[in-house]
Amino acid sequence: DPKIIQKPKYLVAVTGSEKILICEQYLGHNAMYWYRQSAKKPLEFMFSYSYQKLMDNQTASSRFQPQSSKKNHLDLQITALKPDDSATYFCASSQDSLGGTGQLYFGEGSKLTVL
Amino acid sequence: QQKVQQSPESLTVSEGAMASLNCTFSDGTSNNFRWYRQHSAKGLEVLVSIFSDGEKEEGRFTAHLNRANLHVSLHIREPQPSDSAVYLCAVSMTNSAGNKLTFGIGTRVLVRP
Repeated sequence: DPKIIQKPKYLVAVTGSEKILICEQYLGHNAMYWYRQSAKKPLEFMFSYSYQKLMDNQTASSRFQPQSSKKNHLDLQITALKPDDSATYFCASSQDSLGGTGQLYFGEGSKLTVL
Repeated sequence: QQKVQQSPESLTVSEGAMASLNCTFSDGTSNNFRWYRQHSAKGLEVLVSIFSDGEKEEGRFTAHLNRANLHVSLHIREPQPSDSAVYLCAVSMTNSAGNKLTFGIGTRVLVRP
């Protein structure tokens, strides 16, 4: 059974609208992340959270806002959607937030298409 | 800024033959290297992690790291059709806050029966 649950798996949105991507992890981890995979581009780091606090933000646009209501939740709100936002968004988690030898585990992704 | 490049772009091998994938990185201070596998429309599965020069084996997967040459490779022993997937190399710094991985674009591997 997947230990990192992402919802929805697929979604279609119109330009200018807003969507929320849901992520819950059941690994007991303290750190959670969002990565994005656009067509023909490498997987790209977006955000990292540790104990529900923002550790690192590599996203230039404020249209992307993580939301952590519980330690094992890290949702991603995207506002004013643009076609360039079309991508698969992956949630990940690790035991802690330092880049040590611990593993980073990924969910199955939410594929967003913006028309 | 770290750049990670993978080669070849795609690779077709016969079942049972060794498959070899390459990854080069630009930041010589990197010391945390991981190989992931991504089956179509699925999440990433970690295969092997390596943190010092030399070799690390996990089942049929072996990673070789040569930091002086800015190179890490993955060898798949006795590949099976179920190993057909995209293989991703990821690089980071140990103890960097935020656990930020920089990924390559991947090598698509097809294993023919």
